[in-house]
Amino acid sequence: DAKTTQPTSMDCAEGRAANLPCNHSTISGNEYVYWYRQIHSQGPQYIIHGLKNNETNEMASLIITEDRKSSTLILPHATLRDTAVYYCIVRGPNTGGFKTIFGAGTRLFVKA
Amino acid sequence: DTEVTQTPKHLVMGMTNKKSLKCEQHMGHRAMYWYKQKAKKPPELMFVYSYEKLSINESVPSRFSPECPNSSLLNLHLHALQPEDSALYLCASSQGTGFTETQYFGPGTRLLVL
Repeated sequence: DAKTTQPTSMDCAEGRAANLPCNHSTISGNEYVYWYRQIHSQGPQYIIHGLKNNETNEMASLIITEDRKSSTLILPHATLRDTAVYYCIVRGPNTGGFKTIFGAGTRLFVKA
Repeated sequence: DTEVTQTPKHLVMGMTNKKSLKCEQHMGHRAMYWYKQKAKKPPELMFVYSYEKLSINESVPSRFSPECPNSSLLNLHLHALQPEDSALYLCASSQGTGFTETQYFGPGTRLLVL
């Protein structure tokens, strides 16, 4: 099963881009990379997902390396409300399938 | 609209009580999930319902009993819980159960067992 590795915590200045890395070196060709975040005491919030191409939506951008062994979630202009735990999750038929298996995540602190 | 609602927001119960958690979605999703999250830990899957039938039980103790009365509702019945069952209980839903289906989570019910 593909596992993910993320830094335990990161800081970011308000207004700057937050770049959150994720390593998934054992990812298989048909496994997707998903990102969720969880603001304190709330339910996880879906952010974005991708297979091999870079993806962008109104919340963030997802950059996946060509070999797919790592990815970076980019919050282009971080605000204090982006302080949360960010989870990078690999999902595919051999990685729990429709299960969303959360790792420890990265705790992002956005500072004024 | 990607809203999943959960009631109650908070629940305190004794070890001999029976209570129920409720979850509702009106997105037409056919898969619904219960997760449990202990403090400072990531969420862990408990149950999965697909088309109103239980498809996964992650070896959850029988004091937790899920129920899916219809495609929009999911309940979790609690009986004879232990203090270590105190946690945030999260409900989620997705269109289907394929691995490309995005799961949307509710705000959770914070449970305290005394």
